[in-house]
Amino acid sequence: KQEVTQIPAALSVPEGENLVLNCSFTDSAIYNLQWFRQDPGKGLTSLLLIQSSQREQTSGRLNASLDKSSGRSTLYIAASQPGDSATYLCAVRHYSGSARQLTFGSGTQLTVLP
Amino acid sequence: ETGVTQTPRHLVMGMTNKKSLKCEQHLGHNAMYWYKQSAKKPLELMFVYNFKEQTENNSVPSRFSPECPNSSHLFLHLHTLQPEDSALYLCASSHLPGPESYGYTFGSGTRLTVV
Repeated sequence: KQEVTQIPAALSVPEGENLVLNCSFTDSAIYNLQWFRQDPGKGLTSLLLIQSSQREQTSGRLNASLDKSSGRSTLYIAASQPGDSATYLCAVRHYSGSARQLTFGSGTQLTVLP
Repeated sequence: ETGVTQTPRHLVMGMTNKKSLKCEQHLGHNAMYWYKQSAKKPLELMFVYNFKEQTENNSVPSRFSPECPNSSHLFLHLHTLQPEDSALYLCASSHLPGPESYGYTFGSGTRLTVV
């Protein structure tokens, strides 16, 4: 059974810092890995999608890496801003019986202090 | 809007009521999903529909009844719910995996409170 773990569960940093969020998964047989952002009480916004054959993806101040063999991904946020405060969720799309499923971690709650 | 629209945004219902959640996507996706997000827990997959056919029921109680009349619309019919069913219900859609694998697009969710 695929399990996804995110560390740390919560993180508080001053504005301007660079930071790294970690995600690990137990089964390396994945289609892709997706990082999402969720604001309180809201839905999920996709940030980056990394295919299983890729090593990293970049979008603006965000960079996500994938090491499939070791079951790890990181989300790097450069020059953090108070508007980056949200919960960041990692999810892997993987084979599971007859359906392709997306399994989520519990998220990292990020607070960027002005 | 993300391309996946959910209504209503908020719903308060009594334990004896019957209500429905609606999800709509016009992204050309052929798979749709219902997820439940409870406080302090990871998102839980409830149902999966591929090309209107239900392919996954993740041991969800029968008081939740999904319906997928076409590949653009998905409903979740609710009846005789319990207070512990209060949660954020999220709909998502995606292409089925093929030579290239695609990501999921989520709606904004319906915040359900059962009283």
